[in-house]
Amino acid sequence: DQQVKQNSPSLSVQEGRISILNCDYTNSMFDYFLWYKKYPAEGPTFLISISSIKDKNEDGRFTVFLNKSAKHLSLHIVPSQPGDSAVYFCAARSNYGGATNKLIFGTGTLLAVQP
Amino acid sequence: KAGVTQTPRYLIKTRGQQVTLSCSPISGHRSVSWYQQTPGQGLQFLFEYFSETQRNKGNFPGRFSGRQFSNSRSEMNVSTLELGDSALYLCASSLGTGGIGEQYFGPGTRLTVT
Repeated sequence: DQQVKQNSPSLSVQEGRISILNCDYTNSMFDYFLWYKKYPAEGPTFLISISSIKDKNEDGRFTVFLNKSAKHLSLHIVPSQPGDSAVYFCAARSNYGGATNKLIFGTGTLLAVQP
Repeated sequence: KAGVTQTPRYLIKTRGQQVTLSCSPISGHRSVSWYQQTPGQGLQFLFEYFSETQRNKGNFPGRFSGRQFSNSRSEMNVSTLELGDSALYLCASSLGTGGIGEQYFGPGTRLTVT
């Protein structure tokens, strides 16, 4: 049962345009959501996060939007740069039942930013 | 500050053997989590250790086990290896558990079972 889903395995955008990566979840007990970026042969790198009590969090070129009623979050990258080309993972956590660092990850979206 | 280190980086084992992977968290971090990454499956949670205690466990068979030492370093062990255990094994460290602090991942250990 995939609780966190990234339905687009890949996405290609032009340099300077907006990249929008989507993520859906099924567990209403998730209280914290994160986006990670992963280059080949490296571990995932934290990008941005959002608590379930917010609907938007912004950090430079990266903005995450959370729609709790739709159980949907998205990551916007504006403007996109070739160095943003990587696999992006959406992850979620629930502290219901006790404090934990356990993250449930989506399967990732490969973003290719064309120069 | 040194990042999360994992050893070895690459490993080739034969079916039926056992393997031990090591993870050294960032200095001062007390939580270590382990994940398995396979193509098409994303990252799947194995277990989390905090202050030498297992806090949480994923849906993996008992062949997968782990432990954490007093210096927060962690090891995971896989016994009776199967071909399907071939994957990238990642560990992540964090200051505490359950907070909003980010987790820092190591580069992973690539395990190939033949």
